[in-house]
Amino acid sequence: KQEVTQIPAALSVPEGENLVLNCSFTDSAIYNLQWFRQDPGKGLTSLLLIQSSQREQTSGRLNASLDKSSGRSTLYIAASQPGDSATYLCAVPDLYNFNKFYFGSGTKLNVKP
Amino acid sequence: DGGITQSPKYLFRKEGQNVTLSCEQNLNHDAMYWYRQDPGQGLRLIYYSQIVNDFQKGDIAEGYSVSREKKESFPLTVTSAQKNPTAFYLCASSMNRGRNSPLHFGNGTRLTVT
Repeated sequence: KQEVTQIPAALSVPEGENLVLNCSFTDSAIYNLQWFRQDPGKGLTSLLLIQSSQREQTSGRLNASLDKSSGRSTLYIAASQPGDSATYLCAVPDLYNFNKFYFGSGTKLNVKP
Repeated sequence: DGGITQSPKYLFRKEGQNVTLSCEQNLNHDAMYWYRQDPGQGLRLIYYSQIVNDFQKGDIAEGYSVSREKKESFPLTVTSAQKNPTAFYLCASSMNRGRNSPLHFGNGTRLTVT
């Protein structure tokens, strides 16, 4: 069974810093990996979906990379802002049932002004 | 704008009562999902539906029921058989057109049962 891990559980950085969030998965045979953002008391907002054939996906100040062989994805946030403060989660679909997803527990990011 | 609407945002019920959470989407997505989120735990799948009039149990279906009579709607009923119903419930949808269909979420319903 796929296991998805996000370490650290919480991260605090000063405004303007570039940062990297990590997502690890145990089974490297994945079809894609999706990054989400969750604000307190809200649902998840999809940020990026990176397919298994891709190495990187970019959206604005966000860049997601995928290294299947090492079972890792990173979400790079450039020039962080207080508005980036949220919990970031990653998820991968089940290999045999793509309606089932494995979620990490998230990294709670605090960007200090 | 297309999206997923969950209502109500907050719901309070007495123990022993059934309660129904609403989820409506106008994204024309085929698949819909219900997840439960508890502090310190990841998202857990309750039920999902790939097409109208069909749904499957997820990992924690006991004490819950769903229906899918319309493509746009996937209500979740939390029954009195659910031992620990207080949680944050999230509805999601996807196009279901292959393995690279991203998930989209609603804003959730926080249910408190006392």
